[in-house]
Order: sequence, then C-alpha cells, then structure tokens
Amino acid sequence: ETGVTQTPRHLVMGMTNKKSLKCEQHLGHNAMYWYKQSAKKPLELMFVYNFKEQTENNSVPSRFSPECPNSSHLFLHLHTLQPEDSALYLCASSQEGLAGGLADTQYFGPGTRLTVL
Amino acid sequence: AQTVTQSQPEMSVQEAETVTLSCTYDTSESDYYLFWYKQPPSRQMILVIRQEAYKQQNATENRFSVNFQKAAKSFSLKISDSQLGDAAMYFCAYRGTSGTYKYIFGTGTRLKVLA
Repeated sequence: ETGVTQTPRHLVMGMTNKKSLKCEQHLGHNAMYWYKQSAKKPLELMFVYNFKEQTENNSVPSRFSPECPNSSHLFLHLHTLQPEDSALYLCASSQEGLAGGLADTQYFGPGTRLTVL
Repeated sequence: AQTVTQSQPEMSVQEAETVTLSCTYDTSESDYYLFWYKQPPSRQMILVIRQEAYKQQNATENRFSVNFQKAAKSFSLKISDSQLGDAAMYFCAYRGTSGTYKYIFGTGTRLKVLA
C-alpha cells in the first residue's frame, strides 16, 4: 500500500462504546496528525505527533485519546463520545524539518466517517 | 494568530472555461507556506499546489496556477480549461515556519463544473 491509509472507513457507535481509529503512513514521514472535519467548518487540528512525541493537543476533550507507537502508525481511541463528535476524522502525515521539495507538505488519508448515536 | 479566509462557499464554472478561487490570510510571519488542497466527493484530500512565501514567482502545476500577492496576503487559485473531474471542495491552507506544525485551513470552496 502507498500513501496514508485509515481504517475503518465508516464507524457507527453508541455513546457508551469504546472504539479505535487507525492510521498508517507508508511515506517515511516523521510527523502525523489527526483532524476533525465537520460540515461548513474549517478542518480542526486535534493532535500532532513528531517522531512519536506529541507536540500539539488542540484542547481536545479527554474522550479522544491518541496513541503513536511508532512514526508510521497513529491511533485515535474513542470512548463515551457525544453525538456532536460525529464527523469525518482525517489523518495526515508530513516530513518536517527538511528544506526544499515537498517537505512540510501534508498528505492525507481517506478519512473515517464516524457517526455517534 | 494566523487565519485563513475563503469568502466563496460555492463557485460554478463551465467546462473548458477558467475559474479563480479566492483565499486571503493573516499572519505576522515573514516566511511560510501556502497550499491548495482538493477534496473530491467521498474521496481523499490531495495537494493541488504549494507556494513558498519567499519565492516571488507564482507556482504552477499544469492547469493550476496561483496568484500570490504577499503584501495583500492573498493567494488565489486559477484553474484553466476546467474539467468535470475538477469538481470538488478546495481548501486553502497556511503553514508557518516558526517551529510549530500547525496548519491553518480555510472553510473551503465547493467548485461545480457544468457540462
């Protein structure tokens, strides 16, 4: 597989469920991101990891818990979500810190469409 | 804080014609990157074009070009010879170079291409 992959592509869960979203990048990048995309709103950055270390937590509620075991994998653990958390969750990766080329450019996965009942 | 504004929620263009999507941004940084991303319906967001602020020359990629006006903080996307496959949401994005990895996105412009 190439690029950035995400599983599952669609997820329906109840408010009491626990689920996880998975993201994998095959680009050799050193940074990975979680975004929330809701209709008619800008993409909301949730978390940033660089070399497996979390460098950004954009005031995200604790019911969202990220995990980055290595530079290629990123998870978003979900528990006790609310209906307003229903959205498209996008993962992205980039190669940071290099000059030239397409450094510092984000590449996105296809997203997970999450519906919270 | 940096902001990105796309003032056109929706645009339409006739096939084979040219369309320009607007984007303005606000920043106090002197060096940064600007991007246009395309998100087709139910498909992956992909990079269309990228501009480094220190470069005065406007970026071009085949039928896509930008008009980068640094003083005016404007970054518009021109699509020439529009094709049906160009129909998508287009997002303008900003990324500073001050060490943070935060990308700031606009709200997007939905482009419809009419046959």
